[in-house]
Amino acid sequence: NAGVMQNPRHLVRRRGQEARLRCSPMKGHSHVYWYRQLPEEGLKFMVYLQKENIIDESGMPKERFSAEFPKEGPSILRIQQVVRGDSAAYFCASSPRTGQNGYTFGSGTRLTVV
Amino acid sequence: DQQVKQNSPSLSVQEGRISILNCDYTNSMFDYFLWYKKYPAEGPTFLISISSIKDKNEDGRFTVFLNKSAKHLSLHIVPSQPGDSAVYFCAASGTDGSEKLVFGKGTKLTVNP
Repeated sequence: NAGVMQNPRHLVRRRGQEARLRCSPMKGHSHVYWYRQLPEEGLKFMVYLQKENIIDESGMPKERFSAEFPKEGPSILRIQQVVRGDSAAYFCASSPRTGQNGYTFGSGTRLTVV
Repeated sequence: DQQVKQNSPSLSVQEGRISILNCDYTNSMFDYFLWYKKYPAEGPTFLISISSIKDKNEDGRFTVFLNKSAKHLSLHIVPSQPGDSAVYFCAASGTDGSEKLVFGKGTKLTVNP
């Protein structure tokens, strides 16, 4: 049973480009969470999704960031018109149900904006 | 506003000794606390958790203690092993029904052989 799969592992984008980060949850997991870790910081919650629904996006920046978890396929975190401050590690986690004990994190995508 | 604080960025201990990692929180609505371990270039891995109705939870070499009145928790690792060297994050969640975790900045533990 594969774990939470994130790709790409590393992503380099020039300022103004779009970044698309993908997350395939563990089999049987219908809850997906995205977190961002800036250098020297802890992980910060961004968004919580279930299939085809955004449940909590209170941690998402108001502009340029969006997330989806379609009925089929991986969850996507999309960052439009990236800026240097978006450089960070983005972690996805999944769980089979509500309850934090079930969180399984992926290995993350390291976004570098040049 | 840092709701979960890990005031020691790093800790170094000898193999076989006890490692004590500390965490303080400010939000009295937090009722569930977790510790995660993270190696470089990997995602965090869940270690152990504790509910606010308890003051201690033990799992093998790992024990978490919760002092609600002081809004303080600690993770004890006994005996420490070189493979325990990693960054340890304290996290908390609240009673507001939200699924999100609030993380501290982490403590880098180095266990020397």
